[in-house]
Amino acid sequence: KAGVTQTPRYLIKTRGQQVTLSCSPISGHRSVSWYQQTPGQGLQFLFEYFSETQRNKGNFPGRFSGRQFSNSRSEMNVSTLELGDSALYLCASSPRTGNEKLFFGSGTQLSVL
Amino acid sequence: GESVGLHLPTLSVQEGDNSIINCAYSNSASDYFIWYKQESGKGPQFIIDIRSNMDKRQGQRVTVLLNKTVKHLSLQIAATQPGDSAVYFCAEKAAGNKLTFGGGTRVLVKP
Repeated sequence: KAGVTQTPRYLIKTRGQQVTLSCSPISGHRSVSWYQQTPGQGLQFLFEYFSETQRNKGNFPGRFSGRQFSNSRSEMNVSTLELGDSALYLCASSPRTGNEKLFFGSGTQLSVL
Repeated sequence: GESVGLHLPTLSVQEGDNSIINCAYSNSASDYFIWYKQESGKGPQFIIDIRSNMDKRQGQRVTVLLNKTVKHLSLQIAATQPGDSAVYFCAEKAAGNKLTFGGGTRVLVKP
């Protein structure tokens, strides 16, 4: 079974731009969660989607948004990028909602210049 | 979980020895705990999980111990191998179904 696939692997943007990251979950998994990982703050929960509905949301500003498609693939979008948004963005999938036994992708490394 | 920061605590262990990684969690209402391993350039990899109605759970070469009295979680790795070198994270889940991760512990296996 293929694992969680995230694209692109690396991304460089400038302040003020917007970015869209993509995640394909493990086949059969309907829950997709997004996390931000930085050296200073560690792993922080962004949001979770299940059956195309946002089920849970972390404490991030409205510039961070996401969606899930009918095939369970998910995208997250960050608008008006700030330098502090530079991070590794990780997507994780699970067969059910509830944020247990998450299977992570390798992440998208975003650098904001 | 542990407070996060730029400096990761590091555990150096001799190849073949047992490793014990500790984690203090913060929420007494947390009912689910999980350990992840993260190698350089990769996403976190699931190791083992445990619910709050258990004290101990064993996997392949790994054991997780949960002490709810002192809010402490530990991961024991038997016969540590070079491939075990990584950063290990514990995470807890409480109300709201959100996983809160600890800051991580770096394990270095010496040959």
